[in-house]
Amino acid sequence: DIVMTQSPDSLALSLGERATINCKSSQSLFYSSTNKNYLTWYQHKPGQPPKVLFYWASTRESGVPDRFSGSGSGTDFTLTINSLQTEDVAIYYCQQFYTTPRTFGQGTKVEIK
Amino acid sequence: QAQLVESGGGLVKPGGSLRLSCAASGFSFSDYYMSWIRQAPGKGLEWISYINSPGSYTNEADSVKGRFTISRDNAKNSLYLQMNALTVEDTAVYYCVRDRGPRSWFDLWGQGILVAVSS
Repeated sequence: DIVMTQSPDSLALSLGERATINCKSSQSLFYSSTNKNYLTWYQHKPGQPPKVLFYWASTRESGVPDRFSGSGSGTDFTLTINSLQTEDVAIYYCQQFYTTPRTFGQGTKVEIK
Repeated sequence: QAQLVESGGGLVKPGGSLRLSCAASGFSFSDYYMSWIRQAPGKGLEWISYINSPGSYTNEADSVKGRFTISRDNAKNSLYLQMNALTVEDTAVYYCVRDRGPRSWFDLWGQGILVAVSS
């Protein structure tokens, strides 16, 4: 199975600061025949179901604010939240869909300081 | 709008069985793969099973293989998870999830339902 490792496990920032969440996979998620990285980012707010933020590592889901960005390729990926807002408090997960079983990172909890 | 609503969770003793149901609405259920994903207390998300759109093929995680069975009834817009030989390690919130396919992501999640296995 592909192991997904996120860092940090949690971070607490002030409103307006930038949050950077890293996700590392145990093998490359880049598929050369499609030229895509098989990675998704989810946001999971308390009391709500998880929601897709990005797929193909950097394609923003409809309705996701543009202060969120996804980047990276191969085995190293980053979710960035520019200008952190109160409503961004959540746990963020990366997930690979390069191969079965599809696996998730352990999650990164983002809080407001 | 598109929605998934789970039911059937609760408290069960080790070795017992439980059947989860998921009612889909607001989208063409029969066009989509579906999955079950769970989250144990204090742990991350774990995909456990998927079923293709006609219901002719399923795949399960090793952790539940031989104990859990996914099924669907497209006429009733419903997904099911039959869970047998439950252990305390199966205690988790179980999510019904719309699946874009085995090499794809999960694009719609239910609210989740708690299954607690305890004596």
